[in-house]
Amino acid sequence: EIVLTQSPATLSLSPGQRATLSCRASQSVFSYLAWYQQKPGQAPRLLIYDAVNRATGIPARFSGSGSGTDFTLTISGLQPEDFATYYCLQDYSYPWTFGQGTKVEV
Amino acid sequence: EVQLVESGGGLVQPGGSLRLSCEASGFSFSGDEMNWVRQAPGKGLEWVSYISARGDTIYYADSVRGRFTISRDNAKNSLYLQMNILRAEDTAVYYCARSSGYLVNWGQGTLVTVSS
Repeated sequence: EIVLTQSPATLSLSPGQRATLSCRASQSVFSYLAWYQQKPGQAPRLLIYDAVNRATGIPARFSGSGSGTDFTLTISGLQPEDFATYYCLQDYSYPWTFGQGTKVEV
Repeated sequence: EVQLVESGGGLVQPGGSLRLSCEASGFSFSGDEMNWVRQAPGKGLEWVSYISARGDTIYYADSVRGRFTISRDNAKNSLYLQMNILRAEDTAVYYCARSSGYLVNWGQGTLVTVSS
């Protein structure tokens, strides 16, 4: 099973600041990595797939980078609605696994 | 618009069974892969099971293999999860999710509580 480790667990920032979230895989997942945003009481929402591609309707301030074992989600200029928990998912091999999440808070 | 609506959750005693359903609309259900993902209260996301478009390829997480069975009825645009021998640690919100490699669309989830 591929283990995904996200860091930091919590990120305390202010609106307008840049957020940098990390996801590290225990072995290469090539570019088979996705990022999700989840707000309390809501289902997760796809932000980024295949490491670098924004999903439909996702603002340009969200960007993904990386390949192999090291990945980054960057939010350039945090908006109030961006404060949420973010998860990475590897869809390279079964069982698919998620990171434990990074909470972006004010 | 893609819609996924889960149902069938509730309170069940340890050792009991429950069957979850997910009704799909807004896309060609018979052509798409589907999954179940769960989230224990206050915890992170856990992928549970996958089924291919025709239902001929299935995968499970180790934590549920042998107890849970995923299935689908393409004529009814529906996905199912039969859960047997339920344990307290199966308590979670269960989401159905459409996939195309990655998980693309999610339902709102149904809560399963395993408790005596």
